[in-house]
Amino acid sequence: RKEVEQDPGPFNVPEGATVAFNCTYSNSASQSFFWYRQDCRKEPKLLMSVYSSGNEDGRFTAQLNRASQYISLLIRDSKLSDSATYLCVVNIGVRDSGYALNFGKGTSLLVTP
Amino acid sequence: GAVVSQHPSRVICKSGTSVKIECRSLDFQATTMFWYRQFPKQSLMLMATSNEGSKATYEQGVEKDKFLINHASLTLSTLTVTSAHPEDSSFYICSAPASGSSYNEQFFGPGTRLTVL
Repeated sequence: RKEVEQDPGPFNVPEGATVAFNCTYSNSASQSFFWYRQDCRKEPKLLMSVYSSGNEDGRFTAQLNRASQYISLLIRDSKLSDSATYLCVVNIGVRDSGYALNFGKGTSLLVTP
Repeated sequence: GAVVSQHPSRVICKSGTSVKIECRSLDFQATTMFWYRQFPKQSLMLMATSNEGSKATYEQGVEKDKFLINHASLTLSTLTVTSAHPEDSSFYICSAPASGSSYNEQFFGPGTRLTVL
């Protein structure tokens, strides 16, 4: 079983649509959770951290269910610029002075006019 | 925000040659840096943890003699792919954790695309 699993998609949605991505992780000891965005042939960029209470940043809402080991990302009012691959990321554990990260394969989103 | 640079951004080399990739933290010190590798349509996979002043820690299945890591200073880590072969062709990305961050945000370099002919 992969440590971080995501539906690879692609998700093709029209502008203005709401889209949700899901992710499950296998390591119950994981403490930090993130959504990253990766554009084609670029490095990943942090979109938002995910907190147990759920958190929102503009059009983006992230949820964490520790009991089910499940993370979600909701994007409202999709924009063309939201087209990218969204990576569910969980910490592997401490390596020296930082947390190493475990990445899902990513979910591809294409927002169309 | 903090910036991490990588050099070169792209390299094409012949099979059997060695390739060095540099990762620099530009406005902060990083005692730890991470090296990841991403094959097409795959997730980023942690290869090793680079530690300033001590040996790197390699993940299971990563050959330490093939992927040499040197953390020469608090702002520079290098990854050398020795005797590269076509199967080593990949996207190599380094990252450094943000100090003082409550959730240990990582800052990623722009990546190095290696093609071995």
